Amino acid sequence: AQSVTQLDSQVPVFEEAPVELRCNYSSSVSVYLFWYVQYPNQGLQLLLKYLSGSTLVKGINGFEAEFNKSQTSFHLRKPSVHISDTAEYFCALNTGFQKLVFGTGTRLLVSP
Amino acid sequence: NAGVTQTPKFQVLKTGQSMTLQCAQDMNHNSMYWYRQDPGMGLRLIYYSASEGTTDKGEVPNGYNVSRLNKREFSLRLESAAPSQTSVYFCASSANHGDINQPQHFGDGTRLSIL
Repeated sequence: AQSVTQLDSQVPVFEEAPVELRCNYSSSVSVYLFWYVQYPNQGLQLLLKYLSGSTLVKGINGFEAEFNKSQTSFHLRKPSVHISDTAEYFCALNTGFQKLVFGTGTRLLVSP
Repeated sequence: NAGVTQTPKFQVLKTGQSMTLQCAQDMNHNSMYWYRQDPGMGLRLIYYSASEGTTDKGEVPNGYNVSRLNKREFSLRLESAAPSQTSVYFCASSANHGDINQPQHFGDGTRLSIL
């Protein structure tokens, strides 16, 4: 069975500091990986996706993620966060038929 | 530029009452999905409709029914609500089920409390 693990339920960070949100996956077939962001009282928005090709993927709002097949990871990074990045971030796995398997989410708390 | 619209945004029900959550998309997408979001559990797929006229169970379908009314609309029905169904429900759509290049677009959610 496919699964996604986000070990950090909450990550506090100061404004302008770098951040990494961790995501590990388990799958016996080819994977397609996504990061979504959810702002308070809103739905999910796609940040970035890895389908194939370059393992470093750039997304919106200055975020990027690196696909590492040997470590089965897809960590999300941003070199300098803003207050407005405070949100919940979900890693998701798609095994090819648009049935997304989501992680439990990581709440990013950016303080001044 | 509405995208995916869900109604209502909030609802409180008593145990045993019935309720239909509505979802409509204006992007001419073929596929639509219903998820529930619970604290510490991420989003779990309840039902989906790959195309108009078809529906399939997801990970947690028990206690729910769905109707793909037409290409735009996909409703979720709770026939006899239970406290365990207290959750935030999200509807999503995508251009074509199976096309991984097309992301899912989400509505803003319906917050449902069952007493």
